[in-house]
Amino acid sequence: GNSVTQMEGPVTLSEEAFLTINCTYTATGYPSLFWYVQYPGEGLQLLLKATKADDKGSNKGFEATYRKETTSFHLEKGSVQVSDSAVYFCALSPSGGYQKVTFGTGTKLQVIP
Amino acid sequence: DAGVIQSPRHEVTEMGQEVTLRCKPISGHNSLFWYRQTMMRGLELLIYFNNNVPIDDSGMPEDRFSAKMPNASFSTLKIQPSEPRDSAVYFCASSSSGRYSYEQYFGPGTRLTVT
Repeated sequence: GNSVTQMEGPVTLSEEAFLTINCTYTATGYPSLFWYVQYPGEGLQLLLKATKADDKGSNKGFEATYRKETTSFHLEKGSVQVSDSAVYFCALSPSGGYQKVTFGTGTKLQVIP
Repeated sequence: DAGVIQSPRHEVTEMGQEVTLRCKPISGHNSLFWYRQTMMRGLELLIYFNNNVPIDDSGMPEDRFSAKMPNASFSTLKIQPSEPRDSAVYFCASSSSGRYSYEQYFGPGTRLTVT
């Protein structure tokens, strides 16, 4: 079946540091890949997505590139801010048919001033 | 757009009581999902509706849980009787069928505490 593996947290960074959160997946075909973010006390919200190999999703300074050869979709940001403190979920949606999304376990990011 | 609306936002109830959680999806979305989030088990899909029809309820924990979607703009998740282990945050999400991207839009969640 489909699965998503993301790095264990929490990740603690100083403001303006570089961020990488690793995500690898297992799926057949060509799934769509997503990063969702959950701020404290809120629901998940879509941060970025990529729908085919070599696509780069980007939003709010975050980027992730769909790498089919390594089955990865790592999240990066060049300079984090305190306001980026949240839990980040990697997810995939299989191509076609049933829309069930497989989520990773989430990685908590804490950015300190 | 108002986004996905859930009510109540917080619910505290005693063991054995019936609990009903409500969700209004985004207008025009034809898929609806109920999730449960706990520290121990993370985010779990409970049930998925497409065009108001339950497609996958394999995540519903047991017969105490039931979900309905009587029309395109309303869904309920009911727990009867409730137990302390049901304490969690319950999210509703909706999406529209697209060829490639199935991003889901989540509501703010209902925090359920069963004492």
